[in-house]
Amino acid sequence: EVQLVESGGGLVKPGGSLRLSCAVSGFNFSTYKMNWLRQAPGKGLEWVSSISSSGIYISYADSVKGRFTVSRDNAKNSLYLQMNSLRVEDTAVYYCAGGSDIDYWGQGTLVTVSS
Amino acid sequence: LVLTQSPGTLSLSPGERATLSCRASQSVDSNYLTWYQQKPGQAPRLLIYGTSSRATGIPDRFSGSGSGTDFTLTINRLEPEDFALYYCQQYGRSRRTFGQGTKVEIK
Repeated sequence: EVQLVESGGGLVKPGGSLRLSCAVSGFNFSTYKMNWLRQAPGKGLEWVSSISSSGIYISYADSVKGRFTVSRDNAKNSLYLQMNSLRVEDTAVYYCAGGSDIDYWGQGTLVTVSS
Repeated sequence: LVLTQSPGTLSLSPGERATLSCRASQSVDSNYLTWYQQKPGQAPRLLIYGTSSRATGIPDRFSGSGSGTDFTLTINRLEPEDFALYYCQQYGRSRRTFGQGTKVEIK
């Protein structure tokens, strides 16, 4: 059974930091491109970042470039998102998702940025 | 690149056909056009990849078509579980873009 389990979300003040983690099982993690996406309350889906299977190729949405850093540990089947300088508009459910077509999705972790 | 989905809301009855449109502001590679379904409180689910290929376990009442800038998701004979939000997405080497979504609601 495929499982992607995000953790690390929570309430943080503007300007603060959070690190999201995603533990993956059920598919060959080390061969999959991985992604972070988010969905603000009541809004649509927004792509945040992608990382190639090897971790060499990384891309970010303009809205998070310079503030967020994606990484992965293929030995631990885990994906990470370091989020710094958080803004109110970063409030969203963050999804870990696997594959170029995004075949696999986690259930999401809520990040709330508020004073 | 901007993806515009229409209509915003589609009100239909079970058994009817739903036709959802996704229009791109510039031509996209049809190999990288996908559709997702999302129900309240749930993560999205991949329905269609490569414009017209159904993902694993997706019923054949779901079909995708299109090319260039115009893409369509068709749901034949709507089932109660099909009433949900639908998003199209296009991706390239370095970024992804989603449409704003179409809600299929029960009339």
